[in-house]
Amino acid sequence: GAGVSQSPRYKVAKRGQDVALRCDPISGHVSLFWYQQALGQGPEFLTYFQNEAQLDKSGLPSDRFFAERPEGSVSTLKIQRTQQEDSAVYLCASSSPGGSNLETQYFGPGTRLLVL
Amino acid sequence: AQTVTQSQPEMSVQEAETVTLSCTYDTSESDYYLFWYKQPPSRQMILVIRQEAYKQQNATENRFSVNFQKAAKSFSLKISDSQLGDAAMYFCAYRRPLRDDKIIFGKGTRLHILP
Repeated sequence: GAGVSQSPRYKVAKRGQDVALRCDPISGHVSLFWYQQALGQGPEFLTYFQNEAQLDKSGLPSDRFFAERPEGSVSTLKIQRTQQEDSAVYLCASSSPGGSNLETQYFGPGTRLLVL
Repeated sequence: AQTVTQSQPEMSVQEAETVTLSCTYDTSESDYYLFWYKQPPSRQMILVIRQEAYKQQNATENRFSVNFQKAAKSFSLKISDSQLGDAAMYFCAYRRPLRDDKIIFGKGTRLHILP
């Protein structure tokens, strides 16, 4: 596709509900990142995939957060038993490995999650 | 751990004027990459400019340029001839020189352009 897409763009959940956020990376991009951006803050790293392998999940804030990328393209970030502190914008980024370490990460528009 | 600090939460500049956004960072690495990202209200994060730490020459991209002071761990962004479309949140960011490493962002500076 032309860029990274994310769905839904907005999600309102009641506390305790499970939510699933989808990311469609740029076609052919091997690497995929998830970031969490709280209101008024910069994005913070959550997890990283290379193809279907989750190589780094050190940023996931709790075991309620789970991410997968089973076929190495689309990724889903799942949050179980949502809490109010999970309210944030969730950004997805993808990049393609090239000859340089300066592979640019291209970001999607984000999913704004509000937990009531 | 690496950190990125942006001490200016908001700034304003008159259209067509020049503005400089400040950024400092902390790292024990000798090689790394620095970035400025722009996030307009639509929230799509866009790369504005990037700098490799081993390069002494400051990066430039049209109206955007940086002042990279490695010893001082300072990385400021200068926007010349400011335009209304420059209004956005600007994030300074750091990345280690490892393939596909995560980006560490500052808290951002909101830039207002006054017509």
